[in-house]
Amino acid sequence: DQQVKQNSPSLSVQEGRISILNCDYTNSMFDYFLWYKKYPAEGPTFLISISSIKDKNEDGRFTVFLNKSAKHLSLHIVPSQPGDSAVYFCAATFRGRDDKIIFGKGTRLHILP
Amino acid sequence: NAGVTQTPKFQVLKTGQSMTLQCAQDMNHNSMYWYRQDPGMGLRLIYYSASEGTTDKGEVPNGYNVSRLNKREFSLRLESAAPSQTSVYFCAIPTGPSRETQYFGPGTRLLVL
Repeated sequence: DQQVKQNSPSLSVQEGRISILNCDYTNSMFDYFLWYKKYPAEGPTFLISISSIKDKNEDGRFTVFLNKSAKHLSLHIVPSQPGDSAVYFCAATFRGRDDKIIFGKGTRLHILP
Repeated sequence: NAGVTQTPKFQVLKTGQSMTLQCAQDMNHNSMYWYRQDPGMGLRLIYYSASEGTTDKGEVPNGYNVSRLNKREFSLRLESAAPSQTSVYFCAIPTGPSRETQYFGPGTRLLVL
């Protein structure tokens, strides 16, 4: 049973526009949510996170929104830039339990010129 | 990806051959993780180690063994490689103020023919 779901395998967005990546989860016990970015031939890198007690976290062009009642989070990138083209993984964790993280399957974002 | 190193970067095996993927960290963390990444499947945890001398199965442990002989190194062994084990393998360590995120190595790309 997939606990973290990214239902869009890919997304194409015009440069300068807003990119919105979505993620759903099933386990209400998750207490921390994360987004990772991955370029080809590199390891995933941490991008932004949000605690379950918050509904928004912003870091520069990146904002993550959490809707606990809907078990949904989204990553907004504004404005989108060519370097944002990558695979984005949504993830969730139960802090303190072996520090394990559960990842979604990823969404490939293409920024179009 | 300073702090977590993986060797080799790339390997080709024939079905039935064995090999060991090496991971080393210089960040003095207790926990270490092995993931595999396959297209459309996200990052799946193979094994993890909460401390030196201890290991536990993750989501997809079949066909793999691990060894954590010291705090610095965590190795992943394929005793009899199968084509289904063709993948990119990542080692990771926890990071962040409360170990809520993970820091990934650069990966080992494995092709099993």
